[in-house]
Amino acid sequence: GENVEQHPSTLSVQEGDSAVIKCTYSDSASNYFPWYKQELGKRPQLIIDIRSNVGEKKDQRIAVTLNKTAKHFSLHITETQPEDSAVYFCAASIHPGNTPLVFGKGTRLSVIA
Amino acid sequence: DARVTQTPRHKVTEMGQEVTMRCQPILGHNTVFWYRQTMMQGLELLAYFRNRAPLDDSGMPKDRFSAEMPDATLATLKIQPSEPRDSAVYFCASGSWTGNDEQYFGPGTRLTVT
Repeated sequence: GENVEQHPSTLSVQEGDSAVIKCTYSDSASNYFPWYKQELGKRPQLIIDIRSNVGEKKDQRIAVTLNKTAKHFSLHITETQPEDSAVYFCAASIHPGNTPLVFGKGTRLSVIA
Repeated sequence: DARVTQTPRHKVTEMGQEVTMRCQPILGHNTVFWYRQTMMQGLELLAYFRNRAPLDDSGMPKDRFSAEMPDATLATLKIQPSEPRDSAVYFCASGSWTGNDEQYFGPGTRLTVT
């Protein structure tokens, strides 16, 4: 089955700097790659996703890149703000709405003001 | 704004007791997932249903966990008997077979077994 590896497990950046989180996956059948942000005690919230026919997607300060050949995808947050501090999870699945998500272990991002 | 709801939000119980968690998926969603989150294992799939039929429950300890969908508006996850290692946050999520919609997560049930 699918296996998703996520690095780093913790990341501290200065406010205004960029943060990059990387994930690799194993199943070439996966073609949906979402990123979730989870604040303490809250549910995971989708912040951006990418499908296998797209190499890069951007939404304001957040961008995701996908390399299907190498089976890896990355989250980029620019101009980080203290409210970006949270745990971020990458995931992979075959179809967004109706197949299970396989999650990475998460990255705890701390943005230092 | 349609949302997945879960009850209870918090549950503290003693080892050996039965625990039942409930989930109401978003109306019209035909796929329901149960995930468990722990510090050690992260977020992992326990079971999921499509059109109320179980498709995969390989993530559940079969001897003590059971998941059902009595109807399209209710999914249940039961633990009997509960053990301290079951302490975790249990999330329900729902999604749709049609279109390219995301999975929507409920607020979770935080279970503590003492």
